[in-house]
Amino acid sequence: ETGVTQTPRHLVMGMTNKKSLKCEQHLGHNAMYWYKQSAKKPLELMFVYNFKEQTENNSVPSRFSPECPNSSHLFLHLHTLQPEDSALYLCASSQEVFSGANVLTFGAGSRLTVL
Amino acid sequence: AQSVTQPDIHITVSEGASLELRCNYSYGATPYLFWYVQSPGQGLQLLLKYFSGDTLVQGIKGFEAEFKRSQSSFNLRKPSVHWSDAAEYFCAVGPHNNDMRFGAGTRLTVKP
Repeated sequence: ETGVTQTPRHLVMGMTNKKSLKCEQHLGHNAMYWYKQSAKKPLELMFVYNFKEQTENNSVPSRFSPECPNSSHLFLHLHTLQPEDSALYLCASSQEVFSGANVLTFGAGSRLTVL
Repeated sequence: AQSVTQPDIHITVSEGASLELRCNYSYGATPYLFWYVQSPGQGLQLLLKYFSGDTLVQGIKGFEAEFKRSQSSFNLRKPSVHWSDAAEYFCAVGPHNNDMRFGAGTRLTVKP
């Protein structure tokens, strides 16, 4: 496989459930990101990892918990979510983080619905 | 902090017609500028980018964009739109990947 792969593509969960989103990149990149895409709003950066270390937490509620076991894998653990958390969650990667010249490569996203 | 404005939420053009999508940014120095496209059910794909040099940049799928510092703009153009160009288009600006700002997007509809 090539590029950035996200699973599952669709997820429906209740507010008391615990689930996880998975992202895997096959590009040899060192930086990985989680973005939230809600209707009619700009993409919101949630978390940034550079060489497995978290470098950015954009005031995200603690019900979202990221995990980056290595430079190729990124998880977003979800628990006790709210209906307003329903959105498309996009994973992205880049060669490194502290350079705007490094282009982001996005996955297809995980569509989350919280009932 | 940098910001991006895409004034048009939705644009409809006829197939074969020309297209221009507007993007205005706010940033204190010369920015890195990007245009991404998102087809339904997909992630974002890079169309083109501007870092420095020639202010007219060419991208994939026949798109081009022009950086105009005096107008703080980076408008996307295509001379002849195809039905497959129907998608959502995002302009983005940022000095760093961890501080990149995206516009709210412009949805393009192509009429037959």
